[in-house]
Amino acid sequence: DAGVTQSPTHLIKTRGQHVTLRCSPISGHKSVSWYQQVLGQGPQFIFQYYEKEERGRGNFPDRFSARQFPNYSSELNVNALLLGDSALYLCASSLTAGPHYGYTFGSGTRLTVV
Amino acid sequence: AQSVTQLDSQVPVFEEAPVELRCNYSSSVSVYLFWYVQYPNQGLQLLLKYLSGSTLVKGINGFEAEFNKSQTSFHLRKPSVHISDTAEYFCAVCSTSGTYKYIFGTGTRLKVLA
Repeated sequence: DAGVTQSPTHLIKTRGQHVTLRCSPISGHKSVSWYQQVLGQGPQFIFQYYEKEERGRGNFPDRFSARQFPNYSSELNVNALLLGDSALYLCASSLTAGPHYGYTFGSGTRLTVV
Repeated sequence: AQSVTQLDSQVPVFEEAPVELRCNYSSSVSVYLFWYVQYPNQGLQLLLKYLSGSTLVKGINGFEAEFNKSQTSFHLRKPSVHISDTAEYFCAVCSTSGTYKYIFGTGTRLKVLA
């Protein structure tokens, strides 16, 4: 079984640009969550989607948005990039909205804003 | 609101020695507790989780953790470490209802020395 797949693995963007990050959950998983991990810190919660509906949103500005598609894959969009958006973006999937089965994380997308 | 404190940013230990990585949390609601490991340039892998029941939880790779409600702690232990255990370890909490977002600590870098 394939794990959580994230694309791209790395990308470099310029300040002010827009970026789209993609995540394919494990087959059968209906919940996708997004986390931002700044170098040297623990991951911070951005969004959770379950059955294509937003279930939670972290303390991030409106420049961050996400959606979940009918096949349960997800996109994270960030507009008007700032230098401080440089981070590893992690996607996690789970069977249910709750953490009872544990979340499975992808290897992440490393975003560098210059 | 919840918070997680990992008291040690780095823990050096010799191979085959025991290790304990400390985690304390604060929460006004009931929480689930987790330990994740992150190897360089990878996502997070679930080591173990406490949902309910026995306070001593056994995980993968020989790790175990003990939930102590009175001390609000969830320390991770391993009786004998290997070089391959060198990684970053994150403690996390998640409320048992509402938005199922992880709150992570800042991580402890375990370095196993030969």
